[in-house]
Amino acid sequence: SAVISQKPSRDICQRGTSLTIQCQVDSQVTMMFWYRQQPGQSLTLIATANQGSEATYESGFVIDKFPISRPNLTFSTLTVSNMSPEDSSIYLCSVSWGWDTEAFFGQGTRLTVV
Amino acid sequence: AQSVTQPDIHITVSEGASLELRCNYSYGATPYLFWYVQSPGQGLQLLLKYFSGDTLVQGIKGFEAEFKRSQSSFNLRKPSVHWSDAAEYFCAVGAREYGNKLVFGAGTILRVKS
Repeated sequence: SAVISQKPSRDICQRGTSLTIQCQVDSQVTMMFWYRQQPGQSLTLIATANQGSEATYESGFVIDKFPISRPNLTFSTLTVSNMSPEDSSIYLCSVSWGWDTEAFFGQGTRLTVV
Repeated sequence: AQSVTQPDIHITVSEGASLELRCNYSYGATPYLFWYVQSPGQGLQLLLKYFSGDTLVQGIKGFEAEFKRSQSSFNLRKPSVHWSDAAEYFCAVGAREYGNKLVFGAGTILRVKS
């Protein structure tokens, strides 16, 4: 496994602003993903963070709203842009070392938009 | 389309009783199967995983799960539940063909009566 650190752990933000969430892993990983967990809901994949190239977004998620960076094999950021109360969720970073390996999750960032 | 069904939203069991949480999936590829647990305010912890081989897999904390291809199921079991097992449990499915992305079930909230 790995130590996956997400920052911030929680935040309360004003609508219309943006928040950048960081995910740092203590070892190089092949795959990094960002998930959203809306209140009382399950997890939904936002995008796959690709090292050195644009992220691959799932249906319903767009780069303008959720820009993602992955400059190297241990770090990624997710920005939630122009926030509205509907963006209030837990955002989780997930990593795996490649095919046929399990995914591990960070502790999540609990975002509240007011 | 890929989907995971956890038919029980809530389950309440007495401490010391046995537990079975149901999971059914619909997937267009050979699945990888996982069970994760989420305690309040926490991230996701991997309980167990199935990639191939023996269809009965053992996990942490005394949990086990059995993959039944004919029933498209991966039910989680524990012979004797402890109060500390109270949490939310998520079944998830992935596959190499889908880039190791996970599709999650809606989750089952387990309550333990003393």
